[in-house]
Amino acid sequence: DIVMTQSPDSLTVSLGERATINCKSSQSVLSSSNNKNFLAWYQKKPGQPPKLLIYWASTRESGVPDRFSGSGSGTDFTLTISSLQAEDVALYYCQQYYSAPVTFGPGTRVDIK
Amino acid sequence: EVQLVESGGGLVQPGRSLRLSCTGSGFTFGDYAMTWVRQAPGKGLEWVGFIRSKTYGGTTAYAASVQGRFTISRDDSKSIAYLQMDSLKTEDTAEYYCTRDFVGGVNRAAYDVWGQGTLVTVSS
Repeated sequence: DIVMTQSPDSLTVSLGERATINCKSSQSVLSSSNNKNFLAWYQKKPGQPPKLLIYWASTRESGVPDRFSGSGSGTDFTLTISSLQAEDVALYYCQQYYSAPVTFGPGTRVDIK
Repeated sequence: EVQLVESGGGLVQPGRSLRLSCTGSGFTFGDYAMTWVRQAPGKGLEWVGFIRSKTYGGTTAYAASVQGRFTISRDDSKSIAYLQMDSLKTEDTAEYYCTRDFVGGVNRAAYDVWGQGTLVTVSS
């Protein structure tokens, strides 16, 4: 199975400041057949299910604010919240869907400073 | 509105069975593969298993941790996916989410629609 790791475990950011979350996979999730990275990002708030934010490493899901962006390729990926809002306080998970079984990172908690 | 709603969770003793249901609405349920994901208390997200659409044979796959004990099925006429859980163990205690496969490949997808989850507690 592909192992996903995330850093940091948690971070606190001031309102309006940038938050950056890193995700690393134990093997490349870049497909040579379609040149796409099989990497997604989810946001999870207490009492709510995960919400898909980003797929194909950098494609924003419909309705997701453009302050959320994803980047990276191969084994190293980043989720950036360009200007943190109060409603962004949550856990964030990366997920690889390159190979079965899909696996998730352990999560990064984002709080307001 | 596209929606998934799980039901059937609760408290069950080790070794017993439980069946979860996932009812879809707002989309053509039968066109999609459906996946179950769980989250144990204080733990991360874990893929449990999936079922393809009937168009592609309705094939299933399961995590090693539940293989042989859990069975996923679907009734597209009712827009329901089921997770039959037998021989439950305390380590199966988790919030169980039903999800819709969105992009990716067979049995390896990102999930764009999630149910609210249903809690399964396995304890004597």
